[in-house]
Amino acid sequence: GAGVSQTPSNKVTEKGKYVELRCDPISGHTALYWYRQSLGQGPEFLIYFQGTGAADDSGLPNDRFFAVRPEGSVSTLKIQRTERGDSAVYLCASSETGTSGSWGTQYFGPGTRLTVL
Amino acid sequence: KQEVTQIPAALSVPEGENLVLNCSFTDSAIYNLQWFRQDPGKGLTSLLLIQSSQREQTSGRLNASLDKSSGRSTLYIAASQPGDSATYLCAVRPRGQNFVFGPGTRLSVLP
Repeated sequence: GAGVSQTPSNKVTEKGKYVELRCDPISGHTALYWYRQSLGQGPEFLIYFQGTGAADDSGLPNDRFFAVRPEGSVSTLKIQRTERGDSAVYLCASSETGTSGSWGTQYFGPGTRLTVL
Repeated sequence: KQEVTQIPAALSVPEGENLVLNCSFTDSAIYNLQWFRQDPGKGLTSLLLIQSSQREQTSGRLNASLDKSSGRSTLYIAASQPGDSATYLCAVRPRGQNFVFGPGTRLSVLP
């Protein structure tokens, strides 16, 4: 069975450019999460989807960051006007349920390494 | 705000040793705690998930315990092997919030 996949695996862009990062969760998983991980640190929560809606976007650092999941499956994380400080590994995870009180195991993708020059 | 710390930051042991990794969190009101391993340049692999009502979980040579009242969890690895070398991360899910990760413990098991 396929796990969580993310594309591209690496993305190099210039400061000020727009980027899109894609996440394909495990089939049937209703919950999808985006995290950002800097070198030597644990993942930092960005946004969580339950189905098509963003249930919690409190981790998005500013309005340059936006994510969508229009059909409740694939999600895209969009970053406008990229800055050098956005350089990090962006991780996506999915789980079977995101309902309060019964959070299941999160399964992570391999990540997208974003480098902003 | 929930904060998660892990001690030690790095650990190097000879093959065959039993070892303990520690995770501490500041707010005991959590839904669950999950231990992961991360290999260099890779995503996270789930090892064990402990619900708030549980005290421990076991999988093979791994045993994770949870003491909510003291805000602590330990990951016990028995008979360590070079293949266990990785970074081990713990993450807690506070009530009403998403997972908060610790910075990880980098483990090296020497043959």
